[in-house]
Amino acid sequence: DAKTTQPPSMDCAEGRAANLPCNHSTISGNEYVYWYRQIHSQGPQYIIHGLKNNETNEMASLIITEDRKSSTLILPHATLRDTAVYYCIVRPPDRGSTLGRLYFGRGTQLTVWP
Amino acid sequence: EAQVTQNPRYLITVTGKKLTVTCSQNMNHEYMSWYRQDPGLGLRQIYYSMNVEVTDKGDVPEGYKVSRKEKRNFPLILESPSPNQTSLYFCASSIQVYSPQHFGDGTRLSIL
Repeated sequence: DAKTTQPPSMDCAEGRAANLPCNHSTISGNEYVYWYRQIHSQGPQYIIHGLKNNETNEMASLIITEDRKSSTLILPHATLRDTAVYYCIVRPPDRGSTLGRLYFGRGTQLTVWP
Repeated sequence: EAQVTQNPRYLITVTGKKLTVTCSQNMNHEYMSWYRQDPGLGLRQIYYSMNVEVTDKGDVPEGYKVSRKEKRNFPLILESPSPNQTSLYFCASSIQVYSPQHFGDGTRLSIL
């Protein structure tokens, strides 16, 4: 049972902003949204996370809608090195011993082209 | 340097021969987790540990065992490996379950 929904693939021109959407309509009030990315078969890399306010760091910006049912990861000036699979995750519903369960799903393959 | 270290990085072995993939972190993290990754399926959680001596099943625990006797180590044990466990495996750790995870470089297992 999916906790988040992401498009399987997207592409973006180098130097342009890449906007990656994620739907998480069943998110609870105290659950954070996390974004990771995975380049080729390397270990996934943490990008950013947020609860309800928009967040920005040196890698990206995270925009969370007011109802928190969806979010968008923004890479402001995509480069070829940003080509990767991007995962949006939220904590799964609290069902006793499933507190530590994390569901990554299949993510979005972002391809940045020259 | 803060890191999660997995060994071995690559292993080819045969069905039924017990193997252990080690995972060690030097960040004093409480939460550790194992994932497997297969083409088209993304990352799927195998087991996780909230702290020493506290482990629990993820989405695909069948055929695997784990232990957490020390905070820094979280080995993944395949008692009787089978070809369907051929996969790319990642170990991860974080300060707490809700904190950003640090991932190892992965272990590619091939079970013949």
